[in-house]
Amino acid sequence: QITLKESGPTLLKPTQTLTLTCTFSGFSLTTFGVGVGWIRQPPGKALEWLALISWNDDKRYSPSLKNRLSIAKGTSQNQVVLTLPNIEPGDTATYYCAHIHFGGVTVGDFDYWGQGILVTVSS
Amino acid sequence: SFDLTQPPSVSVSPGQTVSITCSGDNLGDKYVCWYQQKPGQSPVLVIYQDSKRPSVIPERISGSNSGTTATLTISGAQAMDEADYFCQAWDSNSLVLFGGGTKLTVL
Repeated sequence: QITLKESGPTLLKPTQTLTLTCTFSGFSLTTFGVGVGWIRQPPGKALEWLALISWNDDKRYSPSLKNRLSIAKGTSQNQVVLTLPNIEPGDTATYYCAHIHFGGVTVGDFDYWGQGILVTVSS
Repeated sequence: SFDLTQPPSVSVSPGQTVSITCSGDNLGDKYVCWYQQKPGQSPVLVIYQDSKRPSVIPERISGSNSGTTATLTISGAQAMDEADYFCQAWDSNSLVLFGGGTKLTVL
């Protein structure tokens, strides 16, 4: 059974750094064809993909946020960490992590999602 | 840049069939997925690889993809199908894109 859960701060001030951890179970990020992605959703708005990391440590970022985002495997083998420095009110959103099944060579689907964590950025 | 365009909203009467479209350049050549999201819940994968359905998704939900348009079709719509639906694809650099979402109302 695959599960994922996001953790981190829920209220931050502008210019602070957002660090979110995705803790997962039921799979290994070293297994061929597996990845973990981060997606966010501002209140009442659409999903926005942020970043992903795959079993072979391939890292990909949204072009619009590439210069700010960082994704990495955590110190624990069942964790992935997303870092977003210098946050602003526009980064207020629910942040989800999701398991990726790479059905194609480099493409796939987000087949299991965490419950999400609402992060509010306000002074 | 590559964008995915969805209608903001569609409506359907119970028991009828409804289609939700997702348009993008050469989308028929890409791997398309669809997600259902109900209020206050996380998205759920309902279609992957254009037309495949996870085992827990009912057969009345189907997908297709050709040319510039991917389509999610729900046959025999039920109240439980009322949700937001998002298409998702990968661009030529293997980066992820989501459509703007479509709110499905069953009335």
